[in-house]
Amino acid sequence: GAVVSQHPSWVICKSGTSVKIECRSLDFQATTMFWYRQFPKQSLMLMATSNEGSKATYEQGVEKDKFLINHASLTLSTLTVTSAHPEDSSFYICSARDQAGGLYEQYFGPGTRLTVT
Amino acid sequence: AQSVTQLGSHVSVSEGALVLLRCNYSSSVPPYLFWYVQYPNQGLQLLLKYTSAATLVKGINGFEAEFKKSETSFHLTKPSAHMSDAAEYFCAVTDRNYQLIWGAGTKLIIKP
Repeated sequence: GAVVSQHPSWVICKSGTSVKIECRSLDFQATTMFWYRQFPKQSLMLMATSNEGSKATYEQGVEKDKFLINHASLTLSTLTVTSAHPEDSSFYICSARDQAGGLYEQYFGPGTRLTVT
Repeated sequence: AQSVTQLGSHVSVSEGALVLLRCNYSSSVPPYLFWYVQYPNQGLQLLLKYTSAATLVKGINGFEAEFKKSETSFHLTKPSAHMSDAAEYFCAVTDRNYQLIWGAGTKLIIKP
């Protein structure tokens, strides 16, 4: 149980285009989902927290107009990187908190590797 | 603010030797504590977690960790390293809002 999927697993796009990444909780309902960014050989950096049906809360320094997050249902959150540039290339990981479980536990997706050329 | 320190960005051990990965946190209130493993180009897999029950926590793949409040530590151990244990390991704790605060990670290298 508690499986989180991400799609796509990797994507290459041209500079200036937008890319959408999906995060789904497959066997549980997630009122809260988290989006992380991970640079090579570094730890995870929390970008934003999204709650179903409400606006995402972005961490300091994260451009909300560039990284659009939508959490329209209890099983799906999307991250759209708008007007992507090479510096946006990174590994993006989502996680989800089980509505029925403890507040402390997050289940992680397999990540999406974004390369902007 | 809560913080997590993982001593050693790289730890190298021989196959069959003891694995010890160190994690210290800063908090006056015992948090929830986690160890995750990440293989190259993959997401995170939960190894084990401490949630205020037994202080010695057993996880998957033969790993275990001991919560020591007096030392504010949550070190990860495995009695005998296997080649398949080579990966990046992250320690994390929850803050007051139950968000995860991450350590910088430790790359475990297994020598044949």
